[in-house]
Amino acid sequence: AQSVTQLDSQVPVFEEAPVELRCNYSSSVSVYLFWYVQYPNQGLQLLLKYLSGSTLVKGINGFEAEFNKSQTSFHLRKPSVHISDTAEYFCAVGKYNFNKFYFGSGTKLNVKP
Amino acid sequence: EAGVAQSPRYKIIEKRQSVAFWCNPISGHATLYWYQQILGQGPKLLIQFQNNGVVDDSQLPKDRFSAERLKGVDSTLKIQPAKLEDSAVYLCASSFTAGQAHNLALHFGNGTRLTVT
Repeated sequence: AQSVTQLDSQVPVFEEAPVELRCNYSSSVSVYLFWYVQYPNQGLQLLLKYLSGSTLVKGINGFEAEFNKSQTSFHLRKPSVHISDTAEYFCAVGKYNFNKFYFGSGTKLNVKP
Repeated sequence: EAGVAQSPRYKIIEKRQSVAFWCNPISGHATLYWYQQILGQGPKLLIQFQNNGVVDDSQLPKDRFSAERLKGVDSTLKIQPAKLEDSAVYLCASSFTAGQAHNLALHFGNGTRLTVT
């Protein structure tokens, strides 16, 4: 069975500061990893995904994430956040053969001026 | 490409009434999903279709929820009768068929916010 844990429900940070949103997963099989962002009153938008290859994945809006197989983690980072990054971020695990996706409970990023 | 279309965006009903949501996935996406997102939680899968067949409906409350995907394109999700705890955002998503790993990702619509009073 797959599970996704997002360790922080809320992360406050000042504008232009770096941020890391943490995600750990458990799975008995190889998985694919995703980060989605949800702005108020909108659906989820894909930020980035890891399928294979380089463990450092770059996404949209200056975000990147690093896949760490030994620690079963896929933390999301941005070196300098903007007010517009205020949103909720979801980590997800995908199972390729069945197109199944499992989501974490989300982390609300609140960027303060 | 056009995204996933959902309607309505908002719906307010009284408990015990019925409601229906509509979704049109991205063209060419064989897999369609309905998720329920309760405030403060991550999306929870209700039902997954592959073309017009159901792949997974294990978490769908079948005594009150139903969904169909006629002709393998559009889908409707219905709740009858609604309960207070059904208040949530209902998200539709689509993806390419399994077997295309490089395309693996969910594409979401903007959702329908349901309030049951």
